[in-house]
Parts: sequence; C-alpha cells; structure tokens
Amino acid sequence: DQQVKQNSPSLSVQEGRISILNCDYTNSMFDYFLWYKKYPAEGPTFLISISSIKDKNEDGRFTVFLNKSAKHLSLHIVPSQPGDSAVYFCAAGPTLGQAGTALIFGKGTTLSVSS
Amino acid sequence: KAGVTQTPRYLIKTRGQQVTLSCSPISGHRSVSWYQQTPGQGLQFLFEYFSETQRNKGNFPGRFSGRQFSNSRSEMNVSTLELGDSALYLCASSPGGLGGSAYNEQFFGPGTRLTVL
Repeated sequence: DQQVKQNSPSLSVQEGRISILNCDYTNSMFDYFLWYKKYPAEGPTFLISISSIKDKNEDGRFTVFLNKSAKHLSLHIVPSQPGDSAVYFCAAGPTLGQAGTALIFGKGTTLSVSS
Repeated sequence: KAGVTQTPRYLIKTRGQQVTLSCSPISGHRSVSWYQQTPGQGLQFLFEYFSETQRNKGNFPGRFSGRQFSNSRSEMNVSTLELGDSALYLCASSPGGLGGSAYNEQFFGPGTRLTVL
C-alpha cells in the first residue's frame, strides 16, 4: 500500500503562472515532509521541507503547505519558470528518523513549464 | 566540495549475473543510503550504512546487499539478477545526524542505470 501518493503524474503550466503540486500521505507517524526536484540524468535535489509543527514554509519562489488533518501537502511555485521543468518527488518520514533511512517517497509528478 | 559520485553510470547485465555498484559520498559525510528508482514504484529505500554498519534496511530480498568502507565509500551488490532489477540505483550521502532536519542534508548522486537483459 502506498503511504505517500502523488496522484498527478504530470502537470503543465505556463511561464509566470503558479504551479501547484500535491501529495497525500496515509501514515500518521510521518511528521517531516520534503520535496525533491529531479532533472534527467541527475540525482534528486532537496528543494524544501516542512515539519508538522508548521503549516507553511517558504523559500523564495517555493512554498510548501501542510494540512495535517487532511494528511495533505502541496508545493506552490510562483512564478513558474521554464527551468522548473523537472520531476518533483514528495517524501515523508518521522521526525526522529535517521537521514535517508525512514523516508518514503511518492512516485513523482513531472512538471512542464512552457514559455 | 565535490558531490556524491557513483560508478559506473550505466551498466548492462544478463539475468543470473551479479553486479556491484559503487558510491563515494561527500567528504566528511558518514552515512550512505541506497535507493532503487523504477517508473512503477518511484524511489524505494534499500539500506543505509553509517560508520561501516548497516543502520537500517528496506524491504528488498537478500539478493541485495551492501557494505561501507572505513573511508565511507559504499558498494551495493545484487546477485542473481532478474529482469525486474532494471532500475536507476541512487545513493545519497549525509553527515549522519538524527532528527528531522537531518533529512535536509541528504545529497544524492546521479545514479547508476542498470539494465538487465
């Protein structure tokens, strides 16, 4: 059973608009969430994270929102740029986990930003 | 600082063979984790090594094994290859600390693309 779900395999957005990528999780033990970006032929790159004690975390054009009651998080990219075109992975783990050991990843959403 | 390096980048093997993949972490990092990425399953955690000891293990059969050397470099071995083992194998290094923010410090290599024929 998938514990972290990214239900949209792909998303297309125009340059300058907002991109919203969604992620749902089922395990109540998860309380730390991350987003990674992956370009072809490269490994995933850490983008932004959020702890369950927060409901929002911002870093430049990237904002992650967490709705614990709905077990849902989303990544907003504003404004979207062509260079943002990549696969985005949502990952979740327990706060007391060890780096890399307890992270569960979603299957990814491919974002395409057209100019 | 040099990033995480993985060798080889591409590998073609046939069923029944075995393969060894190598990962050199970022200098100073003591933890190396391995992941398998397939189109159908996304990224799945294989195992993590910290200071030459396996610290945690995912849900993979015993054909998948690994080790870590005193310089933190790690190798992953897959024996008796099956077609379903075709995947991108990623390793990630981190300082090895605990706690949620430790996840932020995990850096991935470019991966080894394994094709099993």
